[in-house]
Amino acid sequence: DAGVIQSPRHEVTEMGQEVTLRCKPISGHDYLFWYRQTMMRGLELLIYFNNNVPIDDSGMPEDRFSAKMPNASFSTLKIQPSEPRDSAVYFCASSSGTPRHSHEQYFGPGTRLTVT
Amino acid sequence: AQSVTQLGSHVSVSEGALVLLRCNYSSSVPPYLFWYVQYPNQGLQLLLKYTTGATLVKGINGFEAEFKKSETSFHLTKPSAHMSDAAEYFCAVSANNQGGKLIFGQGTELSVKP
Repeated sequence: DAGVIQSPRHEVTEMGQEVTLRCKPISGHDYLFWYRQTMMRGLELLIYFNNNVPIDDSGMPEDRFSAKMPNASFSTLKIQPSEPRDSAVYFCASSSGTPRHSHEQYFGPGTRLTVT
Repeated sequence: AQSVTQLGSHVSVSEGALVLLRCNYSSSVPPYLFWYVQYPNQGLQLLLKYTTGATLVKGINGFEAEFKKSETSFHLTKPSAHMSDAAEYFCAVSANNQGGKLIFGQGTELSVKP
């Protein structure tokens, strides 16, 4: 398997623009997670899905952020409008809910977002 | 609810020295425990995990960790540090009733001096 795939790897945009980050989880995994990592706040869980259904979005910072998972192989995280404080590395991770795999998560390479 | 505390945001060791990264957890149910490593400009990679059974767990790259229930600890060790071990290390906890969610510590940056 190719692992978790994220695109783009780098995104530079101007304040006020819409940004869409994409993620393809590992095939067969039924959990998908979106994280944000910054120097100041560390690694933060934004939202996660189980079988394409959002389970916990309490980490989403504000209404400018939204996430969707239209099918088992694709998810998006959208920021509209973007602000400079959204600059961070955004990670997608997936996991299998089977007891054997014990919720170990597999991370993508991340998208480095810079909002100017 | 679960929580994780990593003691020391930065640890520096000499090449060949023992590596010890500390992690304490809080959990009201038997926990699953994980150590992840993050190399610069990469995502997190699983080093090792504890679920049930043997309390000493061996992982990749010569790392191991011991689950100590009485101390609520899951410290990560490696007998001899290599320069390539320089990275950030995250401890995480989950529970079978948490729907796959992991609670991560704040991370410990490991530096290895020649």
